[in-house]
Amino acid sequence: NAGVTQTPKFQVLKTGQSMTLQCAQDMNHNSMYWYRQDPGMGLRLIYYSASEGTTDKGEVPNGYNVSRLNKREFSLRLESAAPSQTSVYFCASSRVYEQYFGPGTRLTVT
Amino acid sequence: GQSLEQPSEVTAVEGAIVQINCTYQTSGFYGLSWYQQHDGGAPTFLSYNALDGLEETGRFSSFLSRSDSYGYLLLQELQMKDSASYFCAVFNSGYSTLTFGKGTMLLVSP
Repeated sequence: NAGVTQTPKFQVLKTGQSMTLQCAQDMNHNSMYWYRQDPGMGLRLIYYSASEGTTDKGEVPNGYNVSRLNKREFSLRLESAAPSQTSVYFCASSRVYEQYFGPGTRLTVT
Repeated sequence: GQSLEQPSEVTAVEGAIVQINCTYQTSGFYGLSWYQQHDGGAPTFLSYNALDGLEETGRFSSFLSRSDSYGYLLLQELQMKDSASYFCAVFNSGYSTLTFGKGTMLLVSP
């Protein structure tokens, strides 16, 4: 039982490049989330998916897109990376009030 | 919208008791949660309070007063491994998403 997994763990992009962050959970949870974490800013919600087939914007969605591929997988895409998107990205899934987080992706955009 | 206030840093010594406070403003209240995050790690769920009062889980307890829009996390018999960041978070409508505070860094010294 791996919980929530994320790939890659680390990534360096140049401004304007694109990439997709992958997330998968094996807990049969309906809801999944993408957060970014910047120093002193806590966790901010980018997008979430309350169930397979639905996605909604969170607090900071600009510059990102998501896909809920199936119940297990929820990906985050940066179409044209900017230095302001340098951050640590966490995926999470939830069962009612408890959220389970993946190990994070540390992204640097130069 | 939702907003949460918690101290940025708290220091304590091993074996002591420490309390981390959290005040919140929210348009609809569904519960207050606490998460722990060690440096370089992922957030992990600690506790959830939907009703007023104290919830105890081992050395950790969490308190909620809905009338005061206030809660706290109490850590007893502090150990060095408790050095971490602690985040309070409130649910938005229907447990759909969480809004996190900016976190409190707890430093435990020998």
